[in-house]
Amino acid sequence: GESVGLHLPTLSVQEGDNSIINCAYSNSASDYFIWYKQESGKGPQFIIDIRSNMDKRQGQRVTVLLNKTVKHLSLQIAATQPGDSAVYFCAEARSMFSGGYNKLIFGAGTRLAVHP
Amino acid sequence: DTEVTQTPKHLVMGMTNKKSLKCEQHMGHRAMYWYKQKAKKPPELMFVYSYEKLSINESVPSRFSPECPNSSLLNLHLHALQPEDSALYLCASSHQGQGATDTQYFGPGTRLTVL
Repeated sequence: GESVGLHLPTLSVQEGDNSIINCAYSNSASDYFIWYKQESGKGPQFIIDIRSNMDKRQGQRVTVLLNKTVKHLSLQIAATQPGDSAVYFCAEARSMFSGGYNKLIFGAGTRLAVHP
Repeated sequence: DTEVTQTPKHLVMGMTNKKSLKCEQHMGHRAMYWYKQKAKKPPELMFVYSYEKLSINESVPSRFSPECPNSSLLNLHLHALQPEDSALYLCASSHQGQGATDTQYFGPGTRLTVL
């Protein structure tokens, strides 16, 4: 079946290092992807998104890369800080054209642990 | 302001109780969503409301009953729940009408425990 998945369930990094979180998707027709950050006891927080007509998008300390050839998505966090410790979910947005909104298909999630 | 609020933060109920979860947003969003999230798992879609009408029901048991009184409010009525229904219930909203880039914003969730 179709799915959005992650290669690594847990990622441990040193403070100040760069982090890379990976995600694979299987629906080649998807044209919008989102990364969410979820801290313990909180709801998912929007980080950054990308449309399929782009291969890279940058935000503040974060960059999302999209490789449609191999159906791969990654989130890069520069100079990782303790406050970045959380679970990160990629989500594939499947457009509900008749409704004008998306149905999100989430990946399994990766826990990022930042050590001092 | 991208805030979605949810009440209560925590709820403990017995299997014979009736309770309600509430969600509110004042961003003018016209699509609202309920998700269920079990521990260490991603959120799973339950319901979608579009312009105050139920648009998607992901085969959710009838002991969960959603309601959208107006464009800013979304309720989830709970009755005769089972212990396996214990989870974090998340509300989200999106602008709608933006097609492929319609972004969903989540509330903090209600942690539900069914005894």
